Amino acid sequence: DAGVIQSPRHEVTEMGQEVTLRCKPISGHDYLFWYRQTMMRGLELLIYFNNNVPIDDSGMPEDRFSAKMPNASFSTLKIQPSEPRDSAVYFCASRYNTGDGYTFGSGTRLTVV
Amino acid sequence: AQSVTQPDIHITVSEGASLELRCNYSYGATPYLFWYVQSPGQGLQLLLKYFSGDTLVQGIKGFEAEFKRSQSSFNLRKPSVHWSEAAEYFCAVAASGGKLIFGQGTELSVKP
Repeated sequence: DAGVIQSPRHEVTEMGQEVTLRCKPISGHDYLFWYRQTMMRGLELLIYFNNNVPIDDSGMPEDRFSAKMPNASFSTLKIQPSEPRDSAVYFCASRYNTGDGYTFGSGTRLTVV
Repeated sequence: AQSVTQPDIHITVSEGASLELRCNYSYGATPYLFWYVQSPGQGLQLLLKYFSGDTLVQGIKGFEAEFKRSQSSFNLRKPSVHWSEAAEYFCAVAASGGKLIFGQGTELSVKP
């Protein structure tokens, strides 16, 4: 298995532009999580899905952020419009059972200038 | 509310020395607990996990952790640290709904 795959690895964009981050979970995992990591706030859970349905989006910072999971093998996190304070590393993770642990992707480093 | 505290932001040990990283959690029921390691520029890798049974759990790379319910702790240990293990270490608890809540992390530096 190739693990959780995220793209792009790095993204540099100008303030006000739309940014889309992508994630392919491990096949058979029915939970998918989006996390954001910053020096100031550490690892924050943004949203998670179970069987492609959003379960908890209370961590999404504001309406500029949206996430979708159109099928079991693909999810997107979109920021529109982007702001410099959105600069962070965004991780996607997936799991099957809680006891199995969570497998993380390599992350997308987003820089908004 | 569920939470995880890692009291030590940064720890430095000499290569070959033993290591203990502290983790305290807050959770009402029997927790699912995890330790992850993150090397610079990389994602998080699972070191070990606990959810029931023996309170001393073994993980990859020679790491172990002990669950102590009375102290609400899940400390990570290793008898001898290698320079390549300098990284950030995160403790996490699986909260209601199965989401992972992370501590702030402990950065480990290893002196030659």
